Amino acid sequence: KNQVEQSPQSLIILEGKNCTLQCNYTVSPFSNLRWYKQDTGRGPVSLTIMTFSENTKSNGRYTATLDADTKQSSLHITASQLSDSASYICVVIPSGYGGATNKLIFGTGTLLAVQP
Amino acid sequence: DAGVTQSPTHLIKTRGQQVTLRCSPKSGHDTVSWYQQALGQGPQFIFQYYEEEERQRGNFPDRFSGHQFPNYSSELNVNALLLGDSALYLCASSLEGADTQYFGPGTRLTVL
Repeated sequence: KNQVEQSPQSLIILEGKNCTLQCNYTVSPFSNLRWYKQDTGRGPVSLTIMTFSENTKSNGRYTATLDADTKQSSLHITASQLSDSASYICVVIPSGYGGATNKLIFGTGTLLAVQP
Repeated sequence: DAGVTQSPTHLIKTRGQQVTLRCSPKSGHDTVSWYQQALGQGPQFIFQYYEEEERQRGNFPDRFSGHQFPNYSSELNVNALLLGDSALYLCASSLEGADTQYFGPGTRLTVL
């Protein structure tokens, strides 16, 4: 069973528009939740890191929110740019992580295409 | 400060062959993790190396093996390649015990 599910699977928006990506997880308890941006054929780059006690975290035009009660997170992108075209991956780290990499739970990602 | 580097960028092999992928961690990092990412999927953990030893392993067969050198760089070896091994192989480095990993650009392996 996939413990981190993302939606939509893919998304196309026009340049300058806003969009919101969703991440639902069943991992519990968890230490923190991260959003990564992955350009095609490249490695993931961290956008935001939130602990279970944080509700929101911003990084420029990227704002992540977290609702630990409903086990949902979202990534909001404002004033989209062509360079935002990428895959966005949600990663949940269970409690007691302490470097145990095999406990990272990756979502399958949302593929975003920004068109001019 | 150099980030994580991987080589080669792309690689094409045929079924049954063997392949070696290389990774140099971010300066100051001592732990290297390897991931396999199939097209349209999230990364899957293969294994992690620390102090030249495999410390943790994901659900991958023994055909996947690795090595870490005294300078913390690492290799991933895959024997008896299958078509299903075609993927982007990512290397991530971190400090031991830390939960923040920095990913390299990946090596795209195609098995024909």
